[in-house]
Amino acid sequence: GQQLNQSPQSMFIQEGEDVSMNCTSSSIFNTWLWYKQDPGEGPVLLIALYKAGELTSNGRLTAQFGITRKDSFLNISASIPSDVGIYFCAGQLNDYKLSFGAGTTVTVRA
Amino acid sequence: EPEVTQTPSHQVTQMGQEVILRCVPISNHLYFYWYRQILGQKVEFLVSFYNNEISEKSEIFDDQFSVERPDGSNFTLKIRSTKLEDSAMYFCASRGWGEKLFFGSGTQLSVL
Repeated sequence: GQQLNQSPQSMFIQEGEDVSMNCTSSSIFNTWLWYKQDPGEGPVLLIALYKAGELTSNGRLTAQFGITRKDSFLNISASIPSDVGIYFCAGQLNDYKLSFGAGTTVTVRA
Repeated sequence: EPEVTQTPSHQVTQMGQEVILRCVPISNHLYFYWYRQILGQKVEFLVSFYNNEISEKSEIFDDQFSVERPDGSNFTLKIRSTKLEDSAMYFCASRGWGEKLFFGSGTQLSVL
């Protein structure tokens, strides 16, 4: 399957700071998705991007679908303690078989 | 919000034993999936299932794995003879036509 490179692998941030993470792929996707996984839970969809160049917000989250269709970034503004967790990017072609990135672990210092 | 339900939440088994992981997808959904996540690694696609047959499977999904929708509500993943490397969190997911994927909370499988 397609390989996604997600970075950074982990980050420690101060409450109130902005967070940025990104994913790149060697092949194109038709959809980019960002998920958050809390301990012992399944991934929960945060944002879905369907068109190259699309910029979408969901509250404090903003994500963009790269123009080349091979990359995406996720920004979290003004982080709060409940933003702790693992964030995964996922790329999708046409069949809902998702290829996931390795995840970015976010830890917020109060 | 409707949920995908998985049971059990934890399963411990001996190497070589058969295990069945159970999932109840959201009731009007048509497409069903199994993913797995080895500890500390990314989530990996195993298999997709639609209209009572496998749509696609990954190279991980070998002859030891099978899926079944035995009735109108359950979707199961069977591993015939478990190996140590099968230890992982297994996620079931489902979706309706053109909708987003909903994941269950997972079954943590530990093979000893």
